[in-house]
Amino acid sequence: EAQVTQNPRYLITVTGKKLTVTCSQNMNHEYMSWYRQDPGLGLRQIYYSMNVEVTDKGDVPEGYKVSRKEKRNFPLILESPSPNQTSLYFCASSLSVTGGYTFGSGTRLTVV
Amino acid sequence: AQSVTQPDIHITVSEGASLELRCNYSYGATPYLFWYVQSPGQGLQLLLKYFSGDTLVQGIKGFEAEFKRSQSSFNLRKPSVHWSDAAEYFCAVDGGSQGNLIFGKGTKLSVKP
Repeated sequence: EAQVTQNPRYLITVTGKKLTVTCSQNMNHEYMSWYRQDPGLGLRQIYYSMNVEVTDKGDVPEGYKVSRKEKRNFPLILESPSPNQTSLYFCASSLSVTGGYTFGSGTRLTVV
Repeated sequence: AQSVTQPDIHITVSEGASLELRCNYSYGATPYLFWYVQSPGQGLQLLLKYFSGDTLVQGIKGFEAEFKRSQSSFNLRKPSVHWSDAAEYFCAVDGGSQGNLIFGKGTKLSVKP
């Protein structure tokens, strides 16, 4: 089944403890992206990638890192999480700019 | 910078009634436009998209949208709403860089029996 898989689905962590949210797609898509969703703010793009080793900042990149070493994987790294990064995170992938993104099921992160 | 505005935060319609959700965008050239739906507790699903050609586009679940360049709008419509359409709807526009997709803040749709 064609899909975007994120792990974990739920995560509670403490301030300052490094964490990684994994994202993998099995559709051979060129483009991948991370969004965060907060009530009243909609979805805001954190980082996106056009291909292996090619990434760019979205609207809210501060406090996050990404890497694209393989086409299928696009992990999101929080080096030192803070409570304002408590959010619902979505990974997405797309074959082309006109195709629209396919979204994963989301990761709900709580930083205490 | 490109942006998307969804003027209605919450809309309630009766089952069987028609629906129109508004979306206005800011973009210098011909935009790529998208509508997504998010059911409670779920990820986002692509309903339809526009990038060229016919300005009236058909999507899944009986939805359609019309691109109007003169009004910078891309409104989503459905002739007869079903209770299962209750969800949050997001309009999005490409941000000018490949892969940069900008979303509006969403419109929550409630359906009355």
